[in-house]
Amino acid sequence: NAGVTQTPKFQVLKTGQSMTLQCAQDMNHNSMYWYRQDPGMGLRLIYYSASEGTTDKGEVPNGYNVSRLNKREFSLRLESAAPSQTSVYFCASRTGIDYGYTFGSGTRLTVV
Amino acid sequence: AQSVTQLDSHVSVSEGTPVLLRCNYSSSYSPSLFWYVQHPNKGLQLLLKYTSAATLVKGINGFEAEFKKSETSFHLTKPSAHMSDAAEYFCVVSERNAGNMLTFGGGTRLMVKP
Repeated sequence: NAGVTQTPKFQVLKTGQSMTLQCAQDMNHNSMYWYRQDPGMGLRLIYYSASEGTTDKGEVPNGYNVSRLNKREFSLRLESAAPSQTSVYFCASRTGIDYGYTFGSGTRLTVV
Repeated sequence: AQSVTQLDSHVSVSEGTPVLLRCNYSSSYSPSLFWYVQHPNKGLQLLLKYTSAATLVKGINGFEAEFKKSETSFHLTKPSAHMSDAAEYFCVVSERNAGNMLTFGGGTRLMVKP
């Protein structure tokens, strides 16, 4: 089925460990986004990529890096995980400014 | 700068009664507005969107929302709640001059009682 695929779905890390969250979309969308969701705070933008070859910081970029590997894939890396990064992470994509986003099903990350 | 305020963090209704989820926004320019629904342990699904066409927008599952510029509101309604509507709902604004990034409200959890 067409859509946004995120891996892994669940992950537990120890403080200081690193990991990469993967995201791929097969809808030929130009823009891709990474959000984190915390209780009572809605979703907050971490990084986005308006088009292949570009990336920009969002509202809460500290502690994260991203790579837009190609038009389909947009990965999020935590170099040294901290308990404050315990959250649910959503990847999203869309094709244009007046279009809604398509979201992945999320990655639930716990940092202990 | 754009912002979104969802006026109720929790709303509880009985099955078969109307649903009203309130949203106010702040935007310097003509915004696009969206409502998303998130069922437990699921991703977000687009319910409906407003992008400067008709002010009354119809979405999926019987939901609709009305854009009122004078009140800077975009409230979500449904005439008759169903048990399957129980979920969290997010009002979202997007502005062209803000890089078209989405700004989310804090969410409203809708509970439907039998």
